[in-house]
Amino acid sequence: DVVMTQSPLSLPVTLGQPASISCRSSQSLVSTDGHTCLSWFHQRPGQSPRRLLYQVSNRDSGVPDRFSGSGSATDFTLKISRVEAEDVGFYYCMQDKQWPYTFGQGTKLELK
Amino acid sequence: QVQLVQSGAEVKKPGASVKLSCKASGYTFSSYYMHWVRQAPGQGLEWMGGINPSGDSTSYAQKFQGRVTMTRDTSTSTLYMELSSLRSDDTAVYFCARDYAELWGQGTLVTVSS
Repeated sequence: DVVMTQSPLSLPVTLGQPASISCRSSQSLVSTDGHTCLSWFHQRPGQSPRRLLYQVSNRDSGVPDRFSGSGSATDFTLKISRVEAEDVGFYYCMQDKQWPYTFGQGTKLELK
Repeated sequence: QVQLVQSGAEVKKPGASVKLSCKASGYTFSSYYMHWVRQAPGQGLEWMGGINPSGDSTSYAQKFQGRVTMTRDTSTSTLYMELSSLRSDDTAVYFCARDYAELWGQGTLVTVSS
């Protein structure tokens, strides 16, 4: 199975400041069709996860452009340009290159 | 609208089985892979398994092999997941998700307690 490792696991951020979360995979997530199979999710307490980004950097419909993704092969980053109050919660990366899909441990973003 | 609506909360005793449902609407159910993901209290997300669009092929995470069965009914656009031999550590919220996890159900809490 592909192991996904996130850091940090806890991220205190001041409103309006940037935030960055790292995700590393134990093997390359580049598929045979050339796509890189890495997604990012946001989950607020008591809610279902919501996908923010797919194939590293493509934003899902309705996702604010303050969210961006970058990286390649095994090393990826989610960036929030200016954190807003609604951004608190947990962030997960997930690989969907192969079954079983696997998730990072999650990063808890909270306000300072 | 496009959505997945899951069945209600369940309370089961250890050793029992539970069967959850996930009803799709607003899109062509038979065109998409479907998955089940669970989340134990205070823990992260764990993929349990998936089923192909026609329902004739499944793949389960190794830790659930032999205890989980995923099926789908195209006529009612409903996905099912049955988990047997329940233990206390199966207490979790169970989510259904479409394809590349772009769409999620609201989750079903399963509590396993004697």
